[in-house]
Amino acid sequence: DAGVIQSPRHEVTEMGQEVTLRCKPISGHDYLFWYRQTMMRGLELLIYFNNNVPIDDSGMPEDRFSAKMPNASFSTLKIQPSEPRDSAVYFCALSQGAGETQYFGPGTRLLVL
Amino acid sequence: QKEVEQNSGPLSVPEGAIASLNCTYSDRGSQSFFWYRQYSGKSPELIMFIYSNGDKEDGRFTAQLNKASQYVSLLIRDSQPSDSATYLCAVRTGGSYIPTFGRGTSLIVHP
Repeated sequence: DAGVIQSPRHEVTEMGQEVTLRCKPISGHDYLFWYRQTMMRGLELLIYFNNNVPIDDSGMPEDRFSAKMPNASFSTLKIQPSEPRDSAVYFCALSQGAGETQYFGPGTRLLVL
Repeated sequence: QKEVEQNSGPLSVPEGAIASLNCTYSDRGSQSFFWYRQYSGKSPELIMFIYSNGDKEDGRFTAQLNKASQYVSLLIRDSQPSDSATYLCAVRTGGSYIPTFGRGTSLIVHP
């Protein structure tokens, strides 16, 4: 998880609340990815950015999910309103090129009650 | 049919044995293949990547790619308990620049 800071590391919230997950790339990479991991579905790509521009958000499950990358050093994934089925570990990952090695952050463990 | 398939396991091997992890993919145009290791409660980290048919060795790890049969394998020689983890296969298919991940295989190396 070198090169990526994610916050919070753990989040417990109640159904219906807004949740904002944050990712801060430390090192310079052109691509930023948001993944969700659950036991049932494995690692799912939600959205990715190239040079701060969203390229493919087809993995975003519903309109309740949104992501932004206002600059090269910061990205957010927002869930509003949250639901229990959103409970998962959310990873931010970086790569130099689209098909290159991805470097994952430590993840945010989200529990929606 | 899923694009990238792995047996979920767990695969249990004794310490010192060779662990063999397999991954099959559906897109014949796939170009790049990655193996990530994920310890429980941690994030995935790259072990190896391979682009060409054949074997690629790095220490105790060997990646094997067979594009004709559409599979990629990871061999771990002299398995250690510290190798116990989930191993994720990722494949960059011909239709996308972004690798697709398999569900992962859980490996348990027992003393």
